[in-house]
Amino acid sequence: DAGITQSPRYKITETGRQVTLMCHQTWSHSYMFWYRQDLGHGLRLIYYSAAADITDKGEVPDGYVVSRSKTENFPLTLESATRSQTSVYFCASNPSAGGTGELFFGEGSRLTVL
Amino acid sequence: AQSVTQPDIHITVSEGASLELRCNYSYGATPYLFWYVQSPGQGLQLLLKYFSGDTLVQGIKGFEAEFKRSQSSFNLRKPSVHWSDAAEYFCAVGSGGSYIPTFGRGTSLIVHP
Repeated sequence: DAGITQSPRYKITETGRQVTLMCHQTWSHSYMFWYRQDLGHGLRLIYYSAAADITDKGEVPDGYVVSRSKTENFPLTLESATRSQTSVYFCASNPSAGGTGELFFGEGSRLTVL
Repeated sequence: AQSVTQPDIHITVSEGASLELRCNYSYGATPYLFWYVQSPGQGLQLLLKYFSGDTLVQGIKGFEAEFKRSQSSFNLRKPSVHWSDAAEYFCAVGSGGSYIPTFGRGTSLIVHP
């Protein structure tokens, strides 16, 4: 039972470069989420998706793009990375529509932008 | 709108001592409540959850939490802390019909030998 896998786990890039963080889940959960975690800010929601081809902005969407062509994949793209996007990024999924809010998390992707 | 407050940013306890991490929520109806644990370098793992029924819920790793509607609280407890419990703990609240939970800022647990 692989659950949610994120790749890469660690990434160093330079300002202005495009970076894509991958998220893959094996449960066929409807909802998927991207969070960033920073000291002093806790978890902040970037984008979420209710189903394939349905995405919506969270609390901090600026500078990020998502897509969801297949239920199991939810990549997050930083089109032009900035130092302020240095963070740990978590992908999560929720098994049910209109559900309880229980989430399953990936291991995280640590991104450093130089 | 729902909200979650974890009033303690850091908690330090000695190994073997009891632990209580506080969580207060704001939500009009009966909430769904969660505690997650995040070990260093890891993702968040569900410790326990409350949906309905018995207000004292048992979770993994010897943790329990009690839902107190009158106090809008869902405090996490453990009778005897182990060094391996050192981690970040997050309380979260969800609601029926909302698939986006609201997280607290987290409490960092430090365990002294």
